[in-house]
Amino acid sequence: DTAVSQTPKYLVTQMGNDKSIKCEQNLGHDTMYWYKQDSKKFLKIMFSYNNKELIINETVPNRFSPKSPDKAHLNLHINSLELGDSAVYFCASSRQLTSGQETQYFGPGTRLLVL
Amino acid sequence: DQQVKQNSPSLSVQEGRISILNCDYTNSMFDYFLWYKKYPAEGPTFLISISSIKDKNEDGRFTVFLNKSAKHLSLHIVPSQPGDSAVYFCAAFSGGGADGLTFGKGTHLIIQP
Repeated sequence: DTAVSQTPKYLVTQMGNDKSIKCEQNLGHDTMYWYKQDSKKFLKIMFSYNNKELIINETVPNRFSPKSPDKAHLNLHINSLELGDSAVYFCASSRQLTSGQETQYFGPGTRLLVL
Repeated sequence: DQQVKQNSPSLSVQEGRISILNCDYTNSMFDYFLWYKKYPAEGPTFLISISSIKDKNEDGRFTVFLNKSAKHLSLHIVPSQPGDSAVYFCAAFSGGGADGLTFGKGTHLIIQP
């Protein structure tokens, strides 16, 4: 009965490849997020997605594209992978986007290593 | 430019004593603060939160204090237990914004028997 799940847990791939990370939440939440935790352990928001509205963080390269087939899923697609993309990617969800009162629940993370 | 700072990368505390984790922020628009706990190879788990209209929130062994004028918050764990050993992240949110949570770099708490 995992609340927020991600697959795969580990992903090792070559530079230049295209890969996807899947995220699903069974909490009935309206808003989902992708965060990146880099080698310095710094967790940083990449995207938030609410009711089919995508809010893009301007610092995220356009090689990264979130795709939401339905409210319970927000997948992260990465084109032309680069060495610097190696990190842990966390998916999260919350009931609302802007209330400031809603806790975000995190998935277990996907460890991406680009060789 | 880090808007949420946790200046202690690690903290070692004896079992049964109080653990105090500190967090400073620079963005005065933040109005909601959260603490997350993270074990290795797992995602962050929500621990406790506080709204900017309060200065204290308590939940069992965990208490969060907020000093708005100093832009400082702290997490107190009393008494500390071995299972509390983890990395603790401070996070902040600006209500009405769509930027998600802004995290500090985390403090690794080690509870010694």
